[in-house]
Order: sequence, then structure tokens, then C-alpha cells
Amino acid sequence: KNQVEQSPQSLIILEGKNCTLQCNYTVSPFSNLRWYKQDTGRGPVSLTIMTFSENTKSNGRYTATLDADTKQSSLHITASQLSDSASYICVVSSLEYGNKLVFGAGTILRVKS
Amino acid sequence: NAGVTQTPKFRVLKTGQSMTLLCAQDMNHEYMYWYRQDPGMGLRLIHYSVGEGTTAKGEVPDGYNVSRLKKQNFLLGLESAAPSQTSVYFCASSPSGGVAGVPGELFFGEGSRLTVL
Repeated sequence: KNQVEQSPQSLIILEGKNCTLQCNYTVSPFSNLRWYKQDTGRGPVSLTIMTFSENTKSNGRYTATLDADTKQSSLHITASQLSDSASYICVVSSLEYGNKLVFGAGTILRVKS
Repeated sequence: NAGVTQTPKFRVLKTGQSMTLLCAQDMNHEYMYWYRQDPGMGLRLIHYSVGEGTTAKGEVPDGYNVSRLKKQNFLLGLESAAPSQTSVYFCASSPSGGVAGVPGELFFGEGSRLTVL
């Protein structure tokens, strides 16, 4: 069964600290993996996309990595800010037509001052 | 910069009542989707549309109907609401293309919180 598992479920860090969120998937055949940020009460917004051939991609203080062999991705946040408090959702898409997108349950990040 | 707009944002229904959620996008996207988001679970696809006049079932379609009479609008209907349909509903759109029908980036609305008593 195609699944996406995210860890940890929730995380609290101090402002200015770094953190890493994990995403493990079993979706096959793999097309791409996106990380979305969802602020409280808002819809998810795409942060970055990883394709099969990409290992690392950065978007400001966000850096995503992908290991297609082990089917793992991580999202690293550097020098966290209060505005980083949100849910981060990993979404994996498959090459198989009709198998659209598989969403993880998300990691809830809270940044404290 | 409207993007994807959902109405209403909040609604309380009694069991058995009907209602329609409206989604409008101004990005000329071909693909539109309705998802529901429940605590501790990933977003689940209810119905989707790959173009004006087309609709298809997603992962959890039972109890819902949809229509896409105009390219920019995607309506989600509940004919007889049940407490199990209490959820936050998100509409999303994406441009056409992608590999084998797999969509690209999704652009989400801000959600509609529905409570069924």
C-alpha cells in the first residue's frame, strides 16, 4: 500500500535553533515529492519539490533532501523564526496514472521565543 | 492575487441537511480538487476534475457530489449531511500537464470548516 509516514508528529524548538523533519514513503513508482507548509487556519503552500534525480534543494532557510534508494526525505529548517510555526506536510506523487498524490499526516512545528 | 477562494469559511449543519461549498480559482488551471482534512490524518481526496465538464471520484467520495460547469468553479455538495462529514474541506487547483496525469504544484484555498451536529 502506498504510504507516507512523517516524524516527529510534533516538535517544539527555541527561536534561532535548527530542526529536521522526516518523511518516509513506500509510494511506487515514484514521480516527485513535495513539502508543503500549512499555517494555522490556512491552506498548504508548496515549499519545494524533489524529483528522482535531485538529492538536495534549498529555498531560503529551508533545505530538503531526498534519498530515493531508501525512500526517505528530510526538511531542514535553519535559524528558526516564530513564523516557521506551522504544520509541514510531505506529499509524494506516483508515476502510475490514477494514483494521484499521497499525503503524510504532517509534523506540527512550534517555535518558541 | 485572489488565487483559490472558498465559500463559506464556516458552516454548522444538522444531520440530514444539505449544502454546497463553492470553490473559485482565477489562475486558469485545468485541474481542481476537493480534499478533506481530519486531525492526525493526511489530506484525503474526495473528488477531482481534469477540466470543465469533467469530474471523477477520489479516495473518499461517498456522501459527496461535485460539478464543474465552468472552468473556474468547482462545487462540492453534501445531499444529506452526517456527523462523519465534520471536517475541514480544502479546494485546490493545479495547472494542466505533468507526467501521466500526475498533477504539479497544488494551490489551495483557505479551507471551509464544516460541523455536522
